[in-house]
Formats: sequence, C-alpha cells, structure tokens
Amino acid sequence: QKEVEQNSGPLSVPEGAIASLNCTYSDRVSQSFFWYRQYSGKSPELIMSIYSNGDKEDGRFTAQLNKASQYVSLLIRDSQPSDSATYLCAVEGAGSYQLTFGKGTKLSVIP
Amino acid sequence: SAVISQKPSRDICQRGTSLTIQCQVDSQVTMMFWYRQQPGQSLTLIATANQGSEATYESGFVIDKFPISRPNLTFSTLTVSNLSPEDSSIYLCSVEPPTAYGYTFGSGTRLTVV
Repeated sequence: QKEVEQNSGPLSVPEGAIASLNCTYSDRVSQSFFWYRQYSGKSPELIMSIYSNGDKEDGRFTAQLNKASQYVSLLIRDSQPSDSATYLCAVEGAGSYQLTFGKGTKLSVIP
Repeated sequence: SAVISQKPSRDICQRGTSLTIQCQVDSQVTMMFWYRQQPGQSLTLIATANQGSEATYESGFVIDKFPISRPNLTFSTLTVSNLSPEDSSIYLCSVEPPTAYGYTFGSGTRLTVV
C-alpha cells in the first residue's frame, strides 16, 4: 500500500514569512513528485514538480527532494494571504502514471 | 499543458439514480484518469481509462458502480450509478502529462446525493 503523509495543519504563518510544508512517502521507487494548491471548492492546481534530489526553485516556491529519506518539501517565501489554501503532495509510482496523494496541509497566511 | 473541460460542474441527484460526468481534452491523450475527493479528504484514483480498452479500476472501485467510456483520444465519461449519500464527492478527471511538467485536472464535478 503506497502512502503519502502530510501534516494536516492548519499551518499559520504571518504575511511575508516562509511557509514550510512537508511530505513523506512510502514507495521507495517513486520517481516523480508534485505539489498542488487547492482553494476551497476548486480543483487542484499544479504549482511544482520535482524529479531529482536537491532543490528546484520557481518564483517564490522551492521544492526540495531527498529520495534517501523519502522526503519532499515545499517552501513558500514571502507568503501572501492569497497563498492560503490546502497544499497537496502527490507521488507518482515508478513506471506508472498513477498519483498517490497525501491528505493535504491547510495553510493560512495571516495579514 | 492540456486544457480539460469537465461538466457538469455540480449536480444534486436523488438516491438510486445515476450521474454521468464528461471530460473533454483539447489534445489527444492516451491515458485519462478519474479521481474522487470525498468531503475533507484528499484525492483517490478511481480508474485509468485508455482509448480502445477497458478501464483499469483501483482497489475498492468496481465497473458496475463506476462505468467508464473512452470512445476517442480526447473524451471520456464516468458514470456514478445507483447513487447513495456516500457518493457525495467531487469527481475530477486528469490526463497523462504531455511533458515532464505534470498532471493537470479538470475543474471538477461536485455531486450531492439527497
């Protein structure tokens, strides 16, 4: 049974601070990792993908992957109230197109 | 990335009836996926639909309850049959990524069963 674990939160950070979201996964052979943002009542929106160990930066977002530790994280710099949403970590199994999602972390950015 | 149109966006259905959800993609894709998101929960894969073959269902999901059609490379439908209140969820379709960018989702169908 493939599992993806996230802290459900809520995680509250002040505006302008760094929000740090974490995710662990159980399938050691997983190859592809994704972060989605989901606003209430909306469908998930892809914000980051990462495939190799290390950091990947895109604007205010940085994804970090450590396959040895089976750990992936998302940092949001200069957090804005508009970043308030649930962030879903998703893991793609090796050789498949199937995504396993974590339960999501609810982020609240306080003005 | 592909643009996915999904409809209806929401519906309220009587128990015992069925709802068919449509998913249209603006480009040809081999694989389409159907997910369910129950209230307050994350996404769970229902099935994978390949054009020209039977859909592959995940554990806990059966064809009689969730029949899927995939008549061509840009379209798929998911039917949720014999509705019960437990079927009240958001249903989402997704497609294989055309590049290494990642998977995108349709706008979702919010189903309420009364």
